[in-house]
Amino acid sequence: AQSVSQHNHHVILSEAASLELGCNYSYGGTVNLFWYVQYPGQHLQLLLKYFSGDPLVKGIKGFEAEFIKSKFSFNLRKPSVQWSDTAEYFCAVTRANDYKLSFGAGTTVTVRA
Amino acid sequence: NAGVTQTPKFQVLKTGQSMTLQCAQDMNHNSMYWYRQDPGMGLRLIYYSASEGTTDKGEVPNGYNVSRLNKREFSLRLESAAPSQTSVYFCASSEKVRGEQFFGPGTRLTVL
Repeated sequence: AQSVSQHNHHVILSEAASLELGCNYSYGGTVNLFWYVQYPGQHLQLLLKYFSGDPLVKGIKGFEAEFIKSKFSFNLRKPSVQWSDTAEYFCAVTRANDYKLSFGAGTTVTVRA
Repeated sequence: NAGVTQTPKFQVLKTGQSMTLQCAQDMNHNSMYWYRQDPGMGLRLIYYSASEGTTDKGEVPNGYNVSRLNKREFSLRLESAAPSQTSVYFCASSEKVRGEQFFGPGTRLTVL
């Protein structure tokens, strides 16, 4: 079974700071990659996804992620965070043509006003 | 469209009791999933149903059973609840392989 590692458990930032969350996976074949966000008290929502093509993917709310195949990484970035970005962020990976998503443990992001 | 709905939202059980968590989707998706979310462990797949009439085990199936009642509904049953099953349970659905999964609001279950 593949594993997904998120390097930071909890990140605390001030508004307007830049955010980067790390994600690495262990599977060596073709993968599909996702970042989900869970705002307090809400269910998971998709931020962005990568299937193929341009390795720099843009998602909602100003988030982007870069797939670096040689590093088995799919890091999430946002140049300037807002208080409303306070949430838990999950990286998820599935093999091409597989139904099953493997999730990382999640990173809690707290943005201070 | 309601998307993915789950009932109940909260439940408290005693050890040994049984219950069924209900999930329905109105997006005409083929695939449905049950996950549990525990602190520091992300989401772990319990069971999934690739299409109506099929179910398969995920990463942590022990202590659970599922039924894909029809294309819309996918239920999760705990036959004899244990404190280790205290968790938040999420149902999800996707249109097809590789597709984005859409999640329900979750059920917070406590087993005493």
